[in-house]
Amino acid sequence: GAVVSQHPSWVICKSGTSVKIECRSLDFQATTMFWYRQFPKQSLMLMATSNEGSKATYEQGVEKDKFLINHASLTLSTLTVTSAHPEDSSFYICSATRQGQQETQYFGPGTRLLVL
Amino acid sequence: QKEVEQNSGPLSVPEGAIASLNCTYSDRGSQSFFWYRQYSGKSPELIMFIYSNGDKEDGRFTAQLNKASQYVSLLIRDSQPSDSATYLCAVRGWGGGADGLTFGKGTHLIIQP
Repeated sequence: GAVVSQHPSWVICKSGTSVKIECRSLDFQATTMFWYRQFPKQSLMLMATSNEGSKATYEQGVEKDKFLINHASLTLSTLTVTSAHPEDSSFYICSATRQGQQETQYFGPGTRLLVL
Repeated sequence: QKEVEQNSGPLSVPEGAIASLNCTYSDRGSQSFFWYRQYSGKSPELIMFIYSNGDKEDGRFTAQLNKASQYVSLLIRDSQPSDSATYLCAVRGWGGGADGLTFGKGTHLIIQP
């Protein structure tokens, strides 16, 4: 199978602090990684698309200076929520496509962020 | 702006019956169509995907696509209580694997024992 992990699984932080979320493909090299956000009772919304070694592509309305994405290797992408505020509280989910199997996105288990 | 519409439900189906889930999409350029299942508090799990008009079957699941009507559906045969979840329809455009998915809000399905 294709396993994607995220760390941490949940985090509580104070308003104004920065939070880093890691997304790793454990048993495959990921061509592309994606970051989604899901608010309660809402759908998943694509935030950005990340390719190894290049700048992330952000969706309209997503602040690139607030949500920093670093895709350092073919198995790791990180999302840093800078100066987090309560409205950033959400479920952040990453996904990855596998080299040679780009039709399928494998989702990580998600990170629940609560900003106090 | 791509939009994917689903009836939020809840859709209640007796155990053993066929559950029918529907989805419409706005972007005629959409090329790939996906059904995911999401349990409360968990991330989505892929059920199946479809590219071509017609039906695609995988076990108890059948996806149906009608590009002319911009309509996708998922049928679940012999519904089980473990099928109770939120079902998300998602579409993708021409970029293939380089493109993210546009999701609907999901249909909450309840299978009654």
